[in-house]
Amino acid sequence: GENVEQHPSTLSVQEGDSAVIKCTYSDSASNYFPWYKQELGKRPQLIIDIRSNVGEKKDQRIAVTLNKTAKHFSLHITETQPEDSAVYFCAAGDSWGKLQFGAGTQVVVTP
Amino acid sequence: DTGVSQDPRHKITKRGQNVTFRCDPISEHNRLYWYRQTLGQGPEFLTYFQNEAQLEKSRLLSDRFSAERPKGSFSTLEIQRTEQGDSAMYLCASSRTGAKDTIYFGEGSWLTVV
Repeated sequence: GENVEQHPSTLSVQEGDSAVIKCTYSDSASNYFPWYKQELGKRPQLIIDIRSNVGEKKDQRIAVTLNKTAKHFSLHITETQPEDSAVYFCAAGDSWGKLQFGAGTQVVVTP
Repeated sequence: DTGVSQDPRHKITKRGQNVTFRCDPISEHNRLYWYRQTLGQGPEFLTYFQNEAQLEKSRLLSDRFSAERPKGSFSTLEIQRTEQGDSAMYLCASSRTGAKDTIYFGEGSWLTVV
């Protein structure tokens, strides 16, 4: 069945360092891979996404890579800041937009 | 703000009562999704609509759950005979039809069953 695994579950980094979160998926029909940031009690907010016809995408300090053959995709945050502290979720979606989410990564950026 | 709106934001109910949540998607978004999120977990897919048609229901959606989108605009999610295990945040999301359209989430409706 469909399954998205996300690692690590918690990630502590010092301000200015990089953070990397990795996800794997199992459904070959997945063709859309968004990443959401969620602060406590708030909605998941899209921070970046990638489609299956693209291997890498970057937006300022955030980048995402996709290896469709291996069914891996990763989020990279460079020059982390305290406001990057949140829970980050990866997801894999099909053509209908149905998303399967990972379990989340709690990122803590210490000044 | 013309984002996805959900109502109520918080609901406390006694076990056995019925509750209904409403979602108003972004206008011109014809796809609407319901997810459930419990503490420490990622959102789990429940069901989705293309216009007024309900296209898929997750196994998580027991017979006590029903969702409607009668005119292809707003949607309601009703839970009958609530159980403590139903306590969660119920998230609604919407998008336009198309492989490249972003999915936007509402702020969620928190349900606590006591």
